[in-house]
Amino acid sequence: KAGVTQTPRYLIKTRGQQVTLSCSPISGHRSVSWYQQTPGQGLQFLFEYFSETQRNKGNFPGRFSGRQFSNSRSEMNVSTLELGDSALYLCASSLEVGSEAFFGQGTRLTVV
Amino acid sequence: GENVEQHPSTLSVQEGDSAVIKCTYSDSASNYFPWYKQELGKRPQLIIDIRSNVGEKKDQRIAVTLNKTAKHFSLHITETQPEDSAVYFCAARRTQGGSEKLVFGKGTKLTVNP
Repeated sequence: KAGVTQTPRYLIKTRGQQVTLSCSPISGHRSVSWYQQTPGQGLQFLFEYFSETQRNKGNFPGRFSGRQFSNSRSEMNVSTLELGDSALYLCASSLEVGSEAFFGQGTRLTVV
Repeated sequence: GENVEQHPSTLSVQEGDSAVIKCTYSDSASNYFPWYKQELGKRPQLIIDIRSNVGEKKDQRIAVTLNKTAKHFSLHITETQPEDSAVYFCAARRTQGGSEKLVFGKGTKLTVNP
């Protein structure tokens, strides 16, 4: 089985732009969660989706949004990028509620 | 909401020694506690997990213990090897209510010196 796939792996954007990141979960997994990883703050929860519904949202501004498609693939969007948005964005997929979460390799976003 | 504290932030041991990393959590409703290992430039990988109905779980050189009363859990690595060098993250989650949200500790950078 293929693992969790995130695209692109690396991205450089300028302040004020917007960006869309993609996550394809493990086949059969219906739950996708997104995390932001920075050296100072560690891994912070952004949001989670299950069967196309957002079930939970972290404490991030409204510039961060996401969605999930019927095939369980998920995207997250960040609008009006700020320098502080530079981070590794990780998604994790789970088979069902309460099961183990498996991470993708992440998208390294650099905002200049 | 849940808060997870992890100690120490850095740990250096000699090859063959044991390493222990400790985490405390605040939400008594949390019932799932995974540990992830993240090597430099790689994804976090689940190495072991424990659920609240179990006090200890072992997998070869790795073990996790859980004390629900004190709300803390620990990762124990015995006979450490240089390839154990990585950042280790603990996390906590409550599964009631259908939420998959993991709350992570800040991580422990483990260095195993040959």
